[in-house]
Amino acid sequence: GESVGLHLPTLSVQEGDNSIINCAYSNSASDYFIWYKQESGKGPQFIIDIRSNMDKRQGQRVTVLLNKTVKHLSLQIAATQPGDSAVYFCAEKAAGNKLTFGGGTRVLVKP
Amino acid sequence: EAGVAQSPRYKIIEKRQSVAFWCNPISGHATLYWYQQILGQGPKLLIQFQNNGVVDDSQLPKDRFSAERLKGVDSTLKIQPAKLEDSAVYLCASSALRGASYEQYFGPGTRLTVT
Repeated sequence: GESVGLHLPTLSVQEGDNSIINCAYSNSASDYFIWYKQESGKGPQFIIDIRSNMDKRQGQRVTVLLNKTVKHLSLQIAATQPGDSAVYFCAEKAAGNKLTFGGGTRVLVKP
Repeated sequence: EAGVAQSPRYKIIEKRQSVAFWCNPISGHATLYWYQQILGQGPKLLIQFQNNGVVDDSQLPKDRFSAERLKGVDSTLKIQPAKLEDSAVYLCASSALRGASYEQYFGPGTRLTVT
């Protein structure tokens, strides 16, 4: 079936540097995408979302980019901090309110 | 506002035993979801409720899993009998459609270990 996947399972980044997390999706009918952050022992926490009629959306220190031509989604975190260490999931929505999650990327911030 | 509550946080059972998880969604959220998250993977939807009706249970192993949301608020997820491969974190989430957002709010999860 349709699925969402990630290119890099683990990303190590120096504190203060920018992080880029990538995600490939395969369902061209998906009209909404969302990034979640999950810390150890906690449920996923919303970071930012984007609709398919947009190609960029910015939040506080985060930017999501959507390239529908190649079905690619990325999350950029500016000035990465130790508190950004977590697993990041992208998810897509096609029909209804059902989200399909990718496999996750672990971000490790080095001091 | 209070978040999604789940209990218990941890549960260890032997295979073939039964177990139940409880979820209390954010007040006013009509949609409730149960996900299974196996270690190292993303959450997988098991069942979605809209009020007290099932919207999607296509990935729920119905021979052993059941869920209900009798009054359109709290929900329980049951596994009977449990198998080793059911070891996972069971996440409950809720949502209320607001504008263009489909954000789901997740609880802390219940970590199930089947031995």
